[in-house]
Amino acid sequence: EAQVTQNPRYLITVTGKKLTVTCSQNMNHEYMSWYRQDPGLGLRQIYYSMNVEVTDKGDVPEGYKVSRKEKRNFPLILESPSPNQTSLYFCASILTGGTNTEAFFGQGTRLTVV
Amino acid sequence: SQQGEEDPQALSIQEGENATMNCSYKTSINNLQWYRQNSGRGLVHLILIRSNEREKHSGRLRVTLDTSKKSSSLLITASRAADTASYFCATANMFSGGYNKLIFGAGTRLAVHP
Repeated sequence: EAQVTQNPRYLITVTGKKLTVTCSQNMNHEYMSWYRQDPGLGLRQIYYSMNVEVTDKGDVPEGYKVSRKEKRNFPLILESPSPNQTSLYFCASILTGGTNTEAFFGQGTRLTVV
Repeated sequence: SQQGEEDPQALSIQEGENATMNCSYKTSINNLQWYRQNSGRGLVHLILIRSNEREKHSGRLRVTLDTSKKSSSLLITASRAADTASYFCATANMFSGGYNKLIFGAGTRLAVHP
């Protein structure tokens, strides 16, 4: 079964305490992406990766880091979280080729930074 | 930057009625997709329409695309209470490096009342 697994589902942390949200996919996709979802703003892309060791900034990368050491995993790292990073985060593994595109999403991580 | 803009922001209808949601975008696209999101969960791909297609059907879903107006509509016929969710359009734009960047709109919240 095609799956994108994100952990944790819920996280409450304090300002400045480093955290990592993990994301793993079993579809052998090269393209993965992180989004944050805030009310009224839809999904905004944080970082994406087109392959192992290839990552690039999306539209809202400030305060985030990513790594792609292996194809299946794409963790999101908040080195020093701040309250404005309180949000709902989604990892997506994206099938893309020619004119076909389909994103498979994880279940989301609801992060609260106090 | 937001590409897809859905309208209306919220829609409330009775079971059995049709629901129409619209999406406008700004730049040329490779394809346009519609996704569904149940409250706080990950998005699920519903249907894709390519830039050279004008209409597509899938079950009770009908999608149209007008590239001259840069707009798309999603019609859900004979709606059911289980259709209650948020619906997002996403445009796929060819980016440097040859990948399709997905840009999501802010979504339409659909409530179907029994």
